[in-house]
Amino acid sequence: EPEVTQTPSHQVTQMGQEVILRCVPISNHLYFYWYRQILGQKVEFLVSFYNNEISEKSEIFDDQFSVERPDGSNFTLKIRSTKLEDSAMYFCASTPGLDQSLEAFFGQGTRLTVV
Amino acid sequence: DAKTTQPPSMDCAEGRAANLPCNHSTISGNEYVYWYRQIHSQGPQYIIHGLKNNETNEMASLIITEDRKSSTLILPHATLRDTAVYYCIVRVARSRAGNMLTFGGGTRLMVKP
Repeated sequence: EPEVTQTPSHQVTQMGQEVILRCVPISNHLYFYWYRQILGQKVEFLVSFYNNEISEKSEIFDDQFSVERPDGSNFTLKIRSTKLEDSAMYFCASTPGLDQSLEAFFGQGTRLTVV
Repeated sequence: DAKTTQPPSMDCAEGRAANLPCNHSTISGNEYVYWYRQIHSQGPQYIIHGLKNNETNEMASLIITEDRKSSTLILPHATLRDTAVYYCIVRVARSRAGNMLTFGGGTRLMVKP
Protein backbone atom coordinates (compact mmCIF):
# COMPACT_ATOMS: atom_id res chain seq x y z
CA GLU A 1 0.00 0.00 0.00
CA PRO A 2 1.41 3.44 -0.87
CA GLU A 3 2.49 5.57 2.05
CA VAL A 4 3.79 8.97 2.97
CA THR A 5 7.32 8.76 4.29
CA GLN A 6 9.02 11.29 6.54
CA THR A 7 12.64 11.72 7.51
CA PRO A 8 14.19 11.89 9.96
CA SER A 9 11.98 10.18 12.52
CA HIS A 10 13.61 12.21 15.29
CA GLN A 11 15.61 15.42 15.07
CA VAL A 12 17.31 17.22 17.93
CA THR A 13 18.48 20.74 17.28
CA GLN A 14 19.84 23.70 19.18
CA MET A 15 17.64 26.75 19.63
CA GLY A 16 18.24 29.23 16.84
CA GLN A 17 19.34 26.63 14.33
CA GLU A 18 17.61 25.93 11.04
CA VAL A 19 15.98 22.57 10.46
CA ILE A 20 14.52 20.96 7.36
CA LEU A 21 11.95 18.24 7.72
CA ARG A 22 11.49 16.05 4.69
CA CYS A 23 8.51 14.22 3.30
CA VAL A 24 7.86 12.06 0.27
CA PRO A 25 4.13 12.21 -0.46
CA ILE A 26 2.32 9.48 -2.35
CA SER A 27 3.42 9.76 -5.93
CA ASN A 28 0.21 10.66 -7.76
CA HIS A 29 -1.17 12.94 -5.05
CA LEU A 30 -1.66 16.61 -5.77
CA TYR A 31 -2.21 18.27 -2.39
CA PHE A 32 0.38 18.34 0.37
CA TYR A 33 0.14 19.43 3.98
CA TRP A 34 2.10 19.94 7.15
CA TYR A 35 0.54 19.54 10.60
CA ARG A 36 2.12 19.61 14.01
CA GLN A 37 1.23 18.20 17.41
CA ILE A 38 2.79 19.53 20.56
CA LEU A 39 3.03 16.82 23.19
CA GLY A 40 -0.34 16.24 24.82
CA GLN A 41 -2.12 18.73 22.56
CA LYS A 42 -4.29 18.62 19.44
CA VAL A 43 -3.09 18.07 15.91
CA GLU A 44 -2.82 21.54 14.33
CA PHE A 45 -2.83 22.48 10.67
CA LEU A 46 0.17 24.48 9.47
CA VAL A 47 0.04 24.77 5.68
CA SER A 48 -1.34 23.27 2.50
CA PHE A 49 0.42 23.27 -0.86
CA TYR A 50 -1.00 22.75 -4.31
CA ASN A 51 0.32 23.40 -7.79
CA ASN A 52 3.67 24.58 -6.41
CA GLU A 53 2.28 27.22 -4.15
CA ILE A 54 0.81 27.61 -0.71
CA SER A 55 -2.97 27.34 -0.90
CA GLU A 56 -3.71 27.94 2.77
CA LYS A 57 -1.80 28.53 5.97
CA SER A 58 -2.61 28.93 9.62
CA GLU A 59 -1.56 31.65 12.06
CA ILE A 60 1.12 29.31 13.35
CA PHE A 61 2.84 29.31 9.96
CA ASP A 62 4.69 32.59 10.34
CA ASP A 63 7.77 33.94 8.59
CA GLN A 64 10.10 31.47 10.22
CA PHE A 65 8.41 28.63 8.36
CA SER A 66 8.64 27.84 4.67
CA VAL A 67 7.72 24.94 2.44
CA GLU A 68 9.14 23.77 -0.81
CA ARG A 69 8.75 21.02 -3.35
CA PRO A 70 12.29 21.05 -4.70
CA ASP A 71 11.79 18.16 -7.10
CA GLY A 72 9.00 15.88 -8.22
CA SER A 73 8.97 13.79 -5.10
CA ASN A 74 10.06 15.64 -1.97
CA PHE A 75 8.09 18.14 0.08
CA THR A 76 10.00 19.97 2.78
CA LEU A 77 9.24 22.13 5.80
CA LYS A 78 11.99 24.53 6.87
CA ILE A 79 12.07 26.25 10.22
CA ARG A 80 14.59 29.07 9.97
CA SER A 81 15.46 29.78 13.57
CA THR A 82 14.03 27.21 15.91
CA LYS A 83 12.56 28.08 19.27
CA LEU A 84 11.93 25.84 22.24
CA GLU A 85 8.19 25.99 21.54
CA ASP A 86 8.72 24.48 18.10
CA SER A 87 9.34 21.15 19.79
CA ALA A 88 6.56 18.91 18.50
CA MET A 89 5.67 16.03 16.20
CA TYR A 90 5.42 17.26 12.63
CA PHE A 91 3.21 15.31 10.27
CA CYS A 92 3.19 15.50 6.51
CA ALA A 93 0.07 14.49 4.62
CA SER A 94 -1.07 14.24 1.03
CA THR A 95 -4.39 13.81 -0.76
CA PRO A 96 -5.13 12.53 -4.24
CA GLY A 97 -7.13 15.38 -5.69
CA LEU A 98 -10.02 17.67 -5.15
CA ASP A 99 -12.68 14.99 -4.99
CA GLN A 100 -10.80 13.17 -2.27
CA SER A 101 -9.34 16.24 -0.70
CA LEU A 102 -10.21 15.33 2.85
CA GLU A 103 -9.13 11.67 2.71
CA ALA A 104 -5.63 12.45 3.79
CA PHE A 105 -2.73 10.04 4.07
CA PHE A 106 -0.41 10.99 6.90
CA GLY A 107 3.20 10.09 7.43
CA GLN A 108 4.49 8.70 10.71
CA GLY A 109 5.88 12.04 11.72
CA THR A 110 9.15 13.66 12.69
CA ARG A 111 9.68 14.34 16.36
CA LEU A 112 11.50 17.67 16.61
CA THR A 113 13.20 18.46 19.89
CA VAL A 114 14.65 21.94 20.31
CA VAL A 115 17.14 22.25 23.16
CA ASP B 1 -17.20 24.46 9.73
CA ALA B 2 -19.69 22.79 12.03
CA LYS B 3 -18.53 22.22 15.57
CA THR B 4 -18.41 18.63 16.80
CA THR B 5 -18.79 17.22 20.30
CA GLN B 6 -17.36 13.87 21.31
CA PRO B 7 -17.02 12.17 24.70
CA PRO B 8 -13.41 12.47 25.89
CA SER B 9 -13.00 8.77 26.57
CA MET B 10 -14.66 5.38 26.23
CA ASP B 11 -13.85 1.79 27.08
CA CYS B 12 -14.74 -1.27 25.07
CA ALA B 13 -14.19 -4.98 25.65
CA GLU B 14 -12.09 -6.77 23.08
CA GLY B 15 -14.26 -8.51 20.49
CA ARG B 16 -17.27 -6.34 21.19
CA ALA B 17 -18.57 -3.54 19.02
CA ALA B 18 -17.26 -0.08 19.80
CA ASN B 19 -19.82 2.67 19.17
CA LEU B 20 -18.32 6.14 19.13
CA PRO B 21 -20.81 9.01 19.06
CA CYS B 22 -20.39 12.48 17.61
CA ASN B 23 -22.76 15.43 17.81
CA HIS B 24 -22.72 17.99 15.01
CA SER B 25 -26.00 19.81 15.43
CA THR B 26 -24.93 22.82 13.33
CA ILE B 27 -23.94 20.78 10.29
CA SER B 28 -24.96 22.30 6.98
CA GLY B 29 -26.25 20.53 3.92
CA ASN B 30 -22.97 20.35 2.02
CA GLU B 31 -20.80 19.24 4.93
CA TYR B 32 -19.50 15.72 5.21
CA VAL B 33 -18.73 13.79 8.37
CA TYR B 34 -15.18 12.40 8.43
CA TRP B 35 -13.61 10.07 10.95
CA TYR B 36 -9.90 9.73 11.61
CA ARG B 37 -7.97 8.01 14.35
CA GLN B 38 -4.53 8.43 15.86
CA ILE B 39 -2.79 5.50 17.44
CA HIS B 40 -0.32 6.64 20.09
CA SER B 41 1.36 9.66 18.44
CA GLN B 42 1.45 8.07 15.01
CA GLY B 43 0.10 10.05 12.08
CA PRO B 44 -3.70 10.30 11.93
CA GLN B 45 -5.36 7.64 9.82
CA TYR B 46 -8.45 8.16 7.68
CA ILE B 47 -11.26 5.75 8.54
CA ILE B 48 -14.47 6.66 6.73
CA HIS B 49 -16.69 9.53 5.69
CA GLY B 50 -20.30 10.13 4.71
CA LEU B 51 -22.82 12.78 3.76
CA LYS B 52 -26.23 11.42 4.72
CA ASN B 53 -26.33 7.72 3.92
CA ASN B 54 -24.82 5.11 6.18
CA GLU B 55 -21.44 3.93 4.99
CA THR B 56 -19.37 0.82 5.56
CA ASN B 57 -15.84 -0.14 4.62
CA GLU B 58 -13.33 -2.73 5.76
CA MET B 59 -12.50 -0.74 8.87
CA ALA B 60 -15.80 0.55 10.19
CA SER B 61 -19.40 1.59 9.67
CA LEU B 62 -20.74 5.11 9.88
CA ILE B 63 -24.32 5.72 10.90
CA ILE B 64 -25.65 9.24 10.34
CA THR B 65 -29.01 10.20 11.79
CA GLU B 66 -31.73 11.30 9.43
CA ASP B 67 -31.49 14.93 10.59
CA ARG B 68 -27.67 14.68 10.27
CA LYS B 69 -27.18 16.27 13.67
CA SER B 70 -25.25 13.30 15.00
CA SER B 71 -23.39 10.22 13.86
CA THR B 72 -21.88 7.05 15.26
CA LEU B 73 -18.72 5.29 14.19
CA ILE B 74 -18.95 1.56 14.73
CA LEU B 75 -15.97 -0.76 14.98
CA PRO B 76 -17.79 -4.10 14.79
CA HIS B 77 -15.26 -6.30 16.59
CA ALA B 78 -12.82 -4.12 18.46
CA THR B 79 -9.28 -5.39 18.97
CA LEU B 80 -6.51 -4.14 21.21
CA ARG B 81 -4.96 -2.49 18.15
CA ASP B 82 -8.04 -0.26 17.86
CA THR B 83 -7.01 1.57 21.04
CA ALA B 84 -6.58 5.12 19.76
CA VAL B 85 -7.98 8.64 19.76
CA TYR B 86 -10.88 8.90 17.32
CA TYR B 87 -11.69 12.23 15.70
CA CYS B 88 -14.98 13.27 14.15
CA ILE B 89 -14.52 16.14 11.69
CA VAL B 90 -17.20 17.96 9.72
CA ARG B 91 -16.09 19.74 6.57
CA VAL B 92 -17.17 20.80 3.15
CA ALA B 93 -15.44 18.49 0.74
CA ARG B 94 -14.09 19.45 -2.66
CA SER B 95 -13.27 22.97 -1.60
CA ARG B 96 -10.46 24.64 -3.48
CA ALA B 97 -10.14 27.21 -0.74
CA GLY B 98 -9.45 24.99 2.19
CA ASN B 99 -8.83 21.33 2.50
CA MET B 100 -7.30 21.44 5.92
CA LEU B 101 -8.54 19.23 8.70
CA THR B 102 -9.37 20.71 12.09
CA PHE B 103 -8.79 18.16 14.82
CA GLY B 104 -10.57 18.56 18.14
CA GLY B 105 -9.88 16.59 21.27
CA GLY B 106 -11.49 13.40 19.95
CA THR B 107 -12.53 10.33 21.93
CA ARG B 108 -9.82 8.22 23.52
CA LEU B 109 -11.00 4.63 23.02
CA MET B 110 -9.43 2.04 25.26
CA VAL B 111 -10.04 -1.55 24.18
CA LYS B 112 -9.58 -3.88 27.11
CA PRO B 113 -8.92 -7.63 27.09
